[in-house]
Amino acid sequence: DSGVTQTPKHLITATGQRVTLRCSPRSGDLSVYWYQQSLDQGLQFLIQYYNGEERAKGNILERFSAQQFPDLHSELNLSSLELGDSALYFCASSDPGGMTSNTGELFFGEGSRLTVL
Amino acid sequence: AQSVTQLGSHVSVSEGALVLLRCNYSSSVPPYLFWYVQYPNQGLQLLLKYTTGATLVKGINGFEAEFNKSQTSFHLRKPSVHISDTAEYFCAVSGGSYIPTFGRGTSLIVHP
Repeated sequence: DSGVTQTPKHLITATGQRVTLRCSPRSGDLSVYWYQQSLDQGLQFLIQYYNGEERAKGNILERFSAQQFPDLHSELNLSSLELGDSALYFCASSDPGGMTSNTGELFFGEGSRLTVL
Repeated sequence: AQSVTQLGSHVSVSEGALVLLRCNYSSSVPPYLFWYVQYPNQGLQLLLKYTTGATLVKGINGFEAEFNKSQTSFHLRKPSVHISDTAEYFCAVSGGSYIPTFGRGTSLIVHP
């Protein structure tokens, strides 16, 4: 058990809809990362938050957004869903040492599997 | 910029055999290197990591990897695999941004 909790584990929805994925990081971790895993693209970095603020952006579509709340949990919002958005979405968190001591080691949740029909 | 190339998307070996999973990286700064394992329907968990110091790194479940700066490689090996090692293995590199870039993964199948 990594200590990172993601909900829901599975989600099936239709094209054009909007969904919200939730992540609770390990206790004390300030950084949250979102990754998308698909067969054709592999594991792609979407976005990182550090202590409530956006820190880095990767290959995140404009239809997607995220935020990190004061209690450090994070939500990834996916809107106007398309068939190609079907994937496994992972949340990860990193150690509480802060950016200066971070090496990039991440602790992953079990993922939220999104199926768009 | 940083990138990872994992050679061989699928590897199949017999139980008890030596396995070598290959990873080459590119990084504009001294890298931190990682191997993660993903069992079916689970998240990724860290096998081992290289930050600085000794180039041979030992991890969990009998896995080890060697950092080779001149060849920009970080190959993973295990002298004798078990059926329970069947999983997807990901190599990752992080540099100045501390945000790891992952390879496409290697599916390891260990058969009796």
